[in-house]
Order: sequence, then C-alpha cells, then structure tokens
Amino acid sequence: GQQVMQIPQYQHVQEGEDFTTYCNSSTTLSNIQWYKQRPGGHPVFLIQLVKSGDVKKQTRLTLQFGEAKKNSSLHITATQTTDVGTYFCAGRIGDKIIFGKGTRLHILP
Amino acid sequence: SAVISQKPSRDICQRGTSLTIQCQVDSQVTMMFWYRQQPGQSLTLIATANQGSEATYESGFVIDKFPISRPNLTFSTLTVSNMSPEDSSIYLCSVEEWAGPYGYTFGSGTRLTVV
Repeated sequence: GQQVMQIPQYQHVQEGEDFTTYCNSSTTLSNIQWYKQRPGGHPVFLIQLVKSGDVKKQTRLTLQFGEAKKNSSLHITATQTTDVGTYFCAGRIGDKIIFGKGTRLHILP
Repeated sequence: SAVISQKPSRDICQRGTSLTIQCQVDSQVTMMFWYRQQPGQSLTLIATANQGSEATYESGFVIDKFPISRPNLTFSTLTVSNMSPEDSSIYLCSVEEWAGPYGYTFGSGTRLTVV
C-alpha cells in the first residue's frame, strides 16, 4: 500500500546541536503535516505544508516541502531539552492521511 | 482548535472482556477518526466515524472487533471487544481542523493493557 517513509528512526544529539528528520513518498502528496509527540503524550499538530517548494519557519523550526511534493524535512536548530519527543510526518494522498513511522529525538545534556 | 476529552486515560483489562473508549469534542464535527498506536510505533487508522451512518473501517479492522458509535456531532465511542494481549496499545480519537491552523487534533489517548 501507499507509504510515507520517514528517517531516521532514532536520533541522539547533544543539546545545542541541530536535528533533521526526512519524509519521502513514492506518490505525490496533496499536503504534508508534521506532528510532535512528547513521551507519554499524544500527537500535537505543528504545521502543514501545501505548496510545491514551500519553506516555513517557526522560531527554531524550518520545514520544507519538495518541488515534486514527494518529500519533506523538518529541521530544528540548536536543540533544547524541550525538543525531546517523536516527530511524525503525515502525507495526504487523496482523502487519506498516512503517518510516517516517526523519528524519536533524544537530547543528551 | 477543537478540544477533545477522551476517557478512560488508561485501563488494565482481562482478556476476553471489552472496553469502551469515549471521546467528547467541544464543537460539532462531521467526521471523527479512531487510531491505534502500538508502543513506539506510528499511528494506524482504525476507522472513520460519521454521524448518522456506519463507520468506515480500514483494512485489517472489522466492526465486530471494534464497534463504533457516533450518536451526534460531538461524541463517539470505540469498543475493543473480546480483548487479547495483542490489543494492548494506545487508542486515540481525532478530528480534522478545517480552519487554521489545520491538521488533526487528537484526544489525550487511552493506554490499554490486556492481561
């Protein structure tokens, strides 16, 4: 079936280092959404990208949507301990939204 | 954004029994979505619940195992029936936001352990 692949599965970074997670789809996406799930919590919507080549920035977050609308990335600059959690992308294909497997971010003090 | 109250937050159940999970939304929504998230895994859609009609189930999920009710535009229940340890998971309800900031809003989840 249709899948949204997300890598890496895990990422350990020193506090202050940058972090990036990537999503890829074999199918063109209508849009892509990003969510953050804190340990023990539920997914919380971060942002949606719709247009080809979209780049959105929120404080230390930078999100990009590829020109072909098949890939996306989430980048965090200068990670902080509050960034700990799992980051999920979710791509919309038709009327369905498909979640990637997530990237679990660990911050080393 | 919508606010969703989900309960119970967690439960430990005996195999062979059933558990009903409730979600209450603070606004009227056409569709509500039920997801399962196994420990450390991604979210898998179980079914979509429309008010006034039968729920639409995804491949691998059946109504007899996961009956859903949707009596009005603000409430839905998911029942996990005849539970086995393989049903141990987090169950989440969700609604789609049609106005900014868009995306899906999730309930706080029900952490189910079947023993």
